[in-house]
Amino acid sequence: EDQVTQSPEALRLQEGESSSLNCSYTVSGLRGLFWYRQDPGKGPEFLFTLYSAGEEKEKERLKATLTKKESFLHITAPKPEDSATYLCAVLNAGNMLTFGGGTRLMVKP
Amino acid sequence: DTAVSQTPKYLVTQMGNDKSIKCEQNLGHDTMYWYKQDSKKFLKIMFSYNNKELIINETVPNRFSPKSPDKAHLNLHINSLELGDSAVYFCATGRGNTEAFFGQGTRLTVV
Repeated sequence: EDQVTQSPEALRLQEGESSSLNCSYTVSGLRGLFWYRQDPGKGPEFLFTLYSAGEEKEKERLKATLTKKESFLHITAPKPEDSATYLCAVLNAGNMLTFGGGTRLMVKP
Repeated sequence: DTAVSQTPKYLVTQMGNDKSIKCEQNLGHDTMYWYKQDSKKFLKIMFSYNNKELIINETVPNRFSPKSPDKAHLNLHINSLELGDSAVYFCATGRGNTEAFFGQGTRLTVV
């Protein structure tokens, strides 16, 4: 069974304080690893897809990286509007998308 | 146009009732999913379905059943609702190994 573990569960940062979120995974035939952002009362919103170890993607203050066992979401100089729950998910060879428990990020001004 | 739309957005019903949640997508994706998000915000997959194959998470009670009248729709039927079924249910769609797009969710409350 595929497993996705995210840490920390919650993270409080001051505005401008950079940090990283971790996603560890075990999956049968990785077809892709995805990062999503979820705001309260809304569905997950897609951020990045990573397909192979060594791959990196960037978008504004966010950068996602991938190894064979884990992925990191780096947040550089975060702003209060970056506050949300960040979800990691893996897609396996059988087309099942499994999510981790998420990291709730709070950025204080 | 909303890519993935679910109805209703809120559903309050009594224990023992049977209810359905509808999901429609206009993205032309070949795979649709149903997820349950509990009070701890954990997204748990219930079903993965394309026009060839239904994959069921074995932990899902058989009171839950997906019904797909066509490629653009995957509805979720729930029989004999229980208090523990209260959660937010999300429909999502995907194609190949690209990202999945989510609907806005249906908050189900069983009283």
